[in-house]
Amino acid sequence: LAKTTQPISMDSYEGQEVNITCSHNNIATNDYITWYQQFPSQGPRFIIQGYKTKVTNEVASLFIPADRKSSTLSLPRVSLSDTAVYYCLVGDMSSPRLTGTASKLTFGTGTRLQVTL
Amino acid sequence: AAGVIQSPRHLIKEKRETATLKCYPIPRHDTVYWYQQGPGQDPQFLISFYEKMQSDKGSIPDRFSAQQFSDYHSELNMSSLELGDSALYFCASSPRRAGMGEQYFGPGTRLTVT
Repeated sequence: LAKTTQPISMDSYEGQEVNITCSHNNIATNDYITWYQQFPSQGPRFIIQGYKTKVTNEVASLFIPADRKSSTLSLPRVSLSDTAVYYCLVGDMSSPRLTGTASKLTFGTGTRLQVTL
Repeated sequence: AAGVIQSPRHLIKEKRETATLKCYPIPRHDTVYWYQQGPGQDPQFLISFYEKMQSDKGSIPDRFSAQQFSDYHSELNMSSLELGDSALYFCASSPRRAGMGEQYFGPGTRLTVT
């Protein structure tokens, strides 16, 4: 799995847009980029996944440049409830039906986002 | 929508005892994963099952074993418990069509070893 590097912590005020950048210089051709969110004492929650360019869902946007060596998770107008740890993961997204293997998620050190009033 | 169910939610055991954690995946999810998260640490992968067969293995101690049953629920058995086993244990499941990225986590079992 490609190694990822992201900031240890970020602070934001409520209502601002937050951008968390993740570096993954060794990303492989078959690798996808996935972001998870985790609140204290809760299981991680899938936020968004992408391969290239831009992906948007109801929660966030994911920007991936052409070289795919980094990605940016964008959270529009954060609220206090967005205070959490955000993890960037990179790996082969192939279904176990194709590979026969249910591969693990390898969590690195996530970004602790603190949102205040 | 149905979520991953884990039981028990809290468990207190003494050193050298055994513990069994249970996981009931989301209906029609055939893949189950187990993760361990120690205090202040990031989740660490333990083991996964696909279609009731062990699929991938991480840093799971030999004292731990797991299996997935015919109804797709999974159990993590932990023996000779040590103080360092105190952690949150998460089970996750993923649907047939999904790959590595889309895993749905349960609420976790908090194991305390005294």
